[in-house]
Amino acid sequence: DVKVTQSSRYLVKRTGEKVFLECVQDMDHENMFWYRQDPGLGLRLIYFSYDVKMKEKGDIPEGYSVSREKKERFSLILESASTNQTSMYLCASSEGGSSGNTIYFGEGSWLTVV
Amino acid sequence: GEDVEQSLFLSVREGDSSVINCTYTDSSSTYLYWYKQEPGAGLQLLTYIFSNMDMKQDQRLTVLLNKKDKHLSLRIADTQTGDSAIYFCAETPSSGGYNKLIFGAGTRLAVHP
Repeated sequence: DVKVTQSSRYLVKRTGEKVFLECVQDMDHENMFWYRQDPGLGLRLIYFSYDVKMKEKGDIPEGYSVSREKKERFSLILESASTNQTSMYLCASSEGGSSGNTIYFGEGSWLTVV
Repeated sequence: GEDVEQSLFLSVREGDSSVINCTYTDSSSTYLYWYKQEPGAGLQLLTYIFSNMDMKQDQRLTVLLNKKDKHLSLRIADTQTGDSAIYFCAETPSSGGYNKLIFGAGTRLAVHP
């Protein structure tokens, strides 16, 4: 079974803190994604990566950065957390190439910024 | 731009059929997906349909695609309490590449006795 693991399920951080959300996949997938999920808005793509050290902005990249130093690991970084970044964050991965490959999701990380 | 819309809530009685509807804007979408999210969990792929098909059936699930109206539906036969979840419709936009998906806001399905 494909496994996408998000290391932290629940985090509480203070405004201005630097936050790291880690994601690891075990299927040697080329593509990895970070989405945020908010009620009534569905999932919105923050960043994605199609190869090691490669990244592209999604629809809402402001306030976030990412790191992909190894193929299996994709990190989302909030340089200075703000209360409007309180959300559920979902990591996902898929095989490389264009559309049609199944995207697998992690269990999600609930982040509260106070 | 690309957009996917779905109603936010649906309530059905156990044993009845549920129909969750979705509209999308990108007529060149190649794949359309249905994902299920149970409380506190990530998204699980339920089924998908290629754009040159108009129907796909998988056990209790039936997906109907009307390309002309850009309308996608998911029918769950004999709905059970375990089907209570949020259901997301998603499309792969023609400009996306790299498997990017555009999601709807999700339909919360409540199944009551």
